[in-house]
Amino acid sequence: GAVVSQHPSRVICKSGTSVKIECRSLDFQATTMFWYRQFPKQSLMLMATSNEGSKATYEQGVEKDKFLINHASLTLSTLTVTSAHPEDSSFYICSARARGTGELFFGEGSRLTVL
Amino acid sequence: AQSVTQLDSQVPVFEEAPVELRCNYSSSVSVYLFWYVQYPNQGLQLLLKYLSGSTLVKGINGFEAEFNKSQTSFHLRKPSVHISDTAEYFCAVSGLTGGGNKLTFGTGTQLKVEL
Repeated sequence: GAVVSQHPSRVICKSGTSVKIECRSLDFQATTMFWYRQFPKQSLMLMATSNEGSKATYEQGVEKDKFLINHASLTLSTLTVTSAHPEDSSFYICSARARGTGELFFGEGSRLTVL
Repeated sequence: AQSVTQLDSQVPVFEEAPVELRCNYSSSVSVYLFWYVQYPNQGLQLLLKYLSGSTLVKGINGFEAEFNKSQTSFHLRKPSVHISDTAEYFCAVSGLTGGGNKLTFGTGTQLKVEL
């Protein structure tokens, strides 16, 4: 089946640094990619929707300048957590909607720990 | 706006026993309903979905779910579970209008199959 790869799967960083997480669709083109955040024992919360070549649409309460999303190509979207703080520690998951079929595929997630 | 409630955070069950994972939703518009499974250290995988038509939906790995509009439920069932079914299960909903691409997830149910 279609694969969505996230990298890195785990990252630990110091407070104040920026971290970039990549989301790639490996064998299909993704017209739309979604970024979610998941806290322990809680739902996946949609952070933003990104369409290739255009600015991301952020959900209410999500800081655009804090969570920079770039969708430069039909197979790659990146999430950059800028000036990370411990409260940004979370599990970040991306999903990609396949061009043509519209089917949605999820990445394996990236666990961010900010010290 | 939509919301999803998964009443059980954990469901322990013996192998070969039947299981039901409960999901209730609320929405002011008609919805699509989904069940996803997440195995340890893996991404979310679609089990089944209800878009329209027959209210009984069959998915992969022997799972099925029934859409009950009057009770706003979409419970997931399997007549006989296997050890390999141990995973986290998420119910999700998307509205047919306005936010058709956006999924709202429940908090998840951890299914633990024991020998």
